[in-house]
Amino acid sequence: DQQVKQNSPSLSVQEGRISILNCDYTNSMFDYFLWYKKYPAEGPTFLISISSIKDKNEDGRFTVFLNKSAKHLSLHIVPSQPGDSAVYFCAAGLFAGYSNASKIIFGSGTRLSIQP
Amino acid sequence: DAMVIQNPRYQVTQFGKPVTLSCSQTLNHNVMYWYQQKSSQAPKLLFHYYDKDFNNEADTPDNFQSRRPNTSFCFLDIRSPGLGDAAMYLCATSRVTRAYNEQFFGPGTRLTVL
Repeated sequence: DQQVKQNSPSLSVQEGRISILNCDYTNSMFDYFLWYKKYPAEGPTFLISISSIKDKNEDGRFTVFLNKSAKHLSLHIVPSQPGDSAVYFCAAGLFAGYSNASKIIFGSGTRLSIQP
Repeated sequence: DAMVIQNPRYQVTQFGKPVTLSCSQTLNHNVMYWYQQKSSQAPKLLFHYYDKDFNNEADTPDNFQSRRPNTSFCFLDIRSPGLGDAAMYLCATSRVTRAYNEQFFGPGTRLTVL
């Protein structure tokens, strides 16, 4: 049972336009959400996060929107650049007690291709 | 630069032959994770160490074991690899805080089972 779903395996966007990557989740108890970016032959790198008590977080060209009622989040990249071509993973996490490490659950990823 | 290092980057083993994957970190993080990722799938958490405390995921096969001899190193042992264990294995680290669990990943080891 996938708790975090990325239903679009791939997305192609023209350079300079907006890229919108979507993610759905099933567990309303998640405390925070993250986006990771992965280039070939490298491990995922953290991109941006959002707390479950917020509906928007912005960092430069990257904005994450959270719609808790719909259990949906999205990552907007504006403007899209060739270097943004990568696989993007959505992830969700629960805070743990101080004696435990919290865990995050990943989606299956969306491959974004930015076309010149 | 502080980082997470995985060796080797590519590992080929034979069906049933034990194999060990290595992860080291210079971040001094107290949590280390091992994930398995198969093609076009989500990374799947196998287990993690919080300091010396080992935490196994309920659905991780017994075939997979781990060791963490010190803060910097963590090993993944596959006792009898099957064809279905061919995958990318990712190591990650994090600090335990109440903030978001931002995990830092190594480049991964791609395991091939012949």
